[in-house]
Amino acid sequence: EIVMTQSPATLSVSPGERATLSCRASQSVSSNLAWFQQKPGQAPRLLIYGAFTRATGIPARFSGSGSGTEFTLTISGLQSEDFAVYYCHQYNNWPPGTFGQGTNVEIK
Amino acid sequence: QVQLQESGPGLVKPSETLSLTCTVSGVSLSSYYWTWFRQPPGKGLEWIGYIYDRGNTNYNPSLKSRVTISVDTSKNQFSLKLSSVTAADTAVYYCARVISGVLFYWGQGTLVTVSS
Repeated sequence: EIVMTQSPATLSVSPGERATLSCRASQSVSSNLAWFQQKPGQAPRLLIYGAFTRATGIPARFSGSGSGTEFTLTISGLQSEDFAVYYCHQYNNWPPGTFGQGTNVEIK
Repeated sequence: QVQLQESGPGLVKPSETLSLTCTVSGVSLSSYYWTWFRQPPGKGLEWIGYIYDRGNTNYNPSLKSRVTISVDTSKNQFSLKLSSVTAADTAVYYCARVISGVLFYWGQGTLVTVSS
């Protein structure tokens, strides 16, 4: 099983600042990595797939990078609606794929 | 626009069978992968299984003995049945559409509580 480890568990950021979230895979997943945003009471929302491709309707302040085992999600100029939990998901071995445990981006 | 909507009882008694349906609009069920996930309160997401090509299925080994996923193309719906439920099966259940492994579209989720 491929284990996905996200860091940090919680990230405190002021509105307007940049947030950098990390996701590490226990073995290479190539570029088969997606990022999701989840707010309380809502379903996960696809932000990024293929490590860096933004999903339809996702603002340009969200960007993804990395390949192999190290990945980053950057949110530039955090807005109030961006405070949420973010999950990475590797689908290199879909099914089942594997989710990380999540990073909670909270208001500083 | 692709939309998914879960429906089913929000309360199921222990040892009974949980039954949920996902109604899909905006696209035909044929020739795509359709999957179920669940998320226990305050926890992460767990894959349950998928169905594709109108009948081929694959299930999470940890749930395989209790899970059945089926499709009704006439109604553009696919369904989940989970038997012999316990409190550990209490979760928000999501249906989703998969394209090349990417979970592009999700339903809004439905909370199922297992309790007597």
